[in-house]
Amino acid sequence: KAGVTQTPRYLIKTRGQQVTLSCSPISGHRSVSWYQQTPGQGLQFLFEYFSETQRNKGNFPGRFSGRQFSNSRSEMNVSTLELGDSALYLCASSPGGHTEAFFGQGTRLTVV
Amino acid sequence: EDQVTQSPEALRLQEGESSSLNCSYTVSGLRGLFWYRQDPGKGPEFLFTLYSAGEEKEKERLKATLTKKESFLHITAPKPEDSATYLCAVQAPDTGNQFYFGTGTSLTVIP
Repeated sequence: KAGVTQTPRYLIKTRGQQVTLSCSPISGHRSVSWYQQTPGQGLQFLFEYFSETQRNKGNFPGRFSGRQFSNSRSEMNVSTLELGDSALYLCASSPGGHTEAFFGQGTRLTVV
Repeated sequence: EDQVTQSPEALRLQEGESSSLNCSYTVSGLRGLFWYRQDPGKGPEFLFTLYSAGEEKEKERLKATLTKKESFLHITAPKPEDSATYLCAVQAPDTGNQFYFGTGTSLTVIP
């Protein structure tokens, strides 16, 4: 069974630009969550999508948004990038209940 | 408020020297406690799920236990390949599939 796939693996963007990250979950999984990981803050929850609906949202500004498609694939968008947005962005896939989630390898975003 | 606190922040062990990592949590109505392992530059790798106090899970040299306020990850006779950051996470009621993560314990096993 294929794991969680995130693309691209690495990105370098300039402050003020916007970026879109992609996540393909494990086949059959309907829940996709996004996390930001930085050395100082650890893993911080961004949002969760379940069956194309945002089910929960973390404490991040509106510049961070996401969506989920009918095939459960998800995208995350960050607009007006700031230097502080540099981080590892992780996608997690799960069947949807209170069960374990499986993470992708992440997208390393660097904002210069 | 902090939901999950892990200790110690870093741990260095000699190969074969057993030890335990601690994860304390303050969530009411715990829906699940999860242990992950993360290698540098990679996504977290799932290890265990624990749902109720008294539950234990084992995998190779690792054993996870759960009480009403904390969980322990016991590492028996570790090897250098066990070196990684170990993350603890909890799920709370009415938060969908959201995980609250601790900041992790960085484990180094010296040959």
